[in-house]
Amino acid sequence: DSGVTQTPKHLITATGQRVTLRCSPRSGDLSVYWYQQSLDQGLQFLIQYYNGEERAKGNILERFSAQQFPDLHSELNLSSLELGDSALYFCASSTGTGIGQPQHFGDGTRLSIL
Amino acid sequence: DQQVKQNSPSLSVQEGRISILNCDYTNSMFDYFLWYKKYPAEGPTFLISISSIKDKNEDGRFTVFLNKSAKHLSLHIVPSQPGDSAVYFCAASVRYGGSQGNLIFGKGTKLSVKP
Repeated sequence: DSGVTQTPKHLITATGQRVTLRCSPRSGDLSVYWYQQSLDQGLQFLIQYYNGEERAKGNILERFSAQQFPDLHSELNLSSLELGDSALYFCASSTGTGIGQPQHFGDGTRLSIL
Repeated sequence: DQQVKQNSPSLSVQEGRISILNCDYTNSMFDYFLWYKKYPAEGPTFLISISSIKDKNEDGRFTVFLNKSAKHLSLHIVPSQPGDSAVYFCAASVRYGGSQGNLIFGKGTKLSVKP
């Protein structure tokens, strides 16, 4: 058990809809990261938050947004969903900014777009 | 452009023998490297890491070797056990720049350890 909690585990929805994925980091961790794993791709970095502030952006679509709340949990919002958004979405956390530190991953949310 | 490459999609090893998983990278700015293990329906689990100032790091049965001149790292598992059967991901990060701390992953190598 990594200590990182993601909900829900599975999500099935239709094209054009909007969903919210939730992540609770390990106790004491200040950074939260979101990654996407598609069928033919490795883990792709989306976005990082550190202590409530956006710290780095990766290959995140404009239809996607995230935030980190004062209690340090984070939410990833995906809107105007397309079939290609079907993927595993992982959240990870680290103690500090992540430089030279391992990230610890949750078990992911599997998003299926019908 | 794949910055971290794991060229072997799969590897099969006999129990008790050594497993060697390889990883190549192209970005010379990478200075921190990690290996993760992933079982089905679970998230990646951190195994071991190495900083670019070292060329070897050991943790129990797991040893990571880094060859900076060749931009190559490897994970050695000795002795291999059936419970080691999983997908292994190599990852790297840079210390400076806009993407500092964020991990770039390879596509993984599926290790099967046969009893």
